Amino acid sequence: GAGVSQTPSNKVTEKGKYVELRCDPISGHTALYWYRQSLGQGPEFLIYFQGTGAADDSGLPNDRFFAVRPEGSVSTLKIQRTERGDSAVYLCASSLEYLNTEAFFGQGTRLTVV
Amino acid sequence: KQEVTQIPAALSVPEGENLVLNCSFTDSAIYNLQWFRQDPGKGLTSLLLIQSSQREQTSGRLNASLDKSSGRSTLYIAASQPGDSATYLCAVDLETSGSRLTFGEGTQLTVNP
Repeated sequence: GAGVSQTPSNKVTEKGKYVELRCDPISGHTALYWYRQSLGQGPEFLIYFQGTGAADDSGLPNDRFFAVRPEGSVSTLKIQRTERGDSAVYLCASSLEYLNTEAFFGQGTRLTVV
Repeated sequence: KQEVTQIPAALSVPEGENLVLNCSFTDSAIYNLQWFRQDPGKGLTSLLLIQSSQREQTSGRLNASLDKSSGRSTLYIAASQPGDSATYLCAVDLETSGSRLTFGEGTQLTVNP
C-alpha cells in the first residue's frame, strides 16, 4: 500500500481480555516499529523488528505484551489480560532500512480498556 | 538516558505570523532528528529529517535547523496558516539506540484566522 496501515482504528475491550493490533508496513520496508502514546505525551518505543526477528523489545512494559512479524511484513501486537492502564494510542511505523532512515507512521489504533 | 524537551508546550499565533518551535536533546550522539506533525486523533506525518552531518532542511514554508553540538533543533514556520494548527513533535535517532526514536512531548500550535 501507499502508507502504513493499522487496524482496527479503534478498539474497546473489557479489562482482562486479550487484544491483537495489526500493522501493515510500507511495501519493501524491512524495519518495523511499535510505539505507544498516552494523552498529551510523545510516543514511547515498545519494540522493533528487522525482518522477522525482534531486534529490540526492551520497551515492552511487561510480559503481557508480545509482538510478532512472522513473514517479515505484517506485524501483530498482542496484549494479554488487558488493564485500564494499557489504554493509549498504539502507533506502528516502518522504514526502508535498519539504521538512520526516515520513519513513516500509521494512523494508530486507539485502545480503550474499560 | 536521552531526554528530548520541546518548548513551548503550547503556542497560539495570528494567521500570517512567522514562528519558531524549539527542541533540545541531552545526548548529541545522534544519527538524525525528525520533525513530525500530528493532527488530533491522527498518526504522525513526517515533515523533515535532518541527518547529523547537516545543518538544516527546508520544505516549502518549513525550515528545520540542527546544532548537534549544543543539542538543539528549531522548526521555523513562515507565514503561518490556520491549517498549520496541529501538534509538532521532534524525535532523535540515537547512535546507541539501534534505530528507536526518542520523542519530545510536542508543541501544540494554534493559528487563529
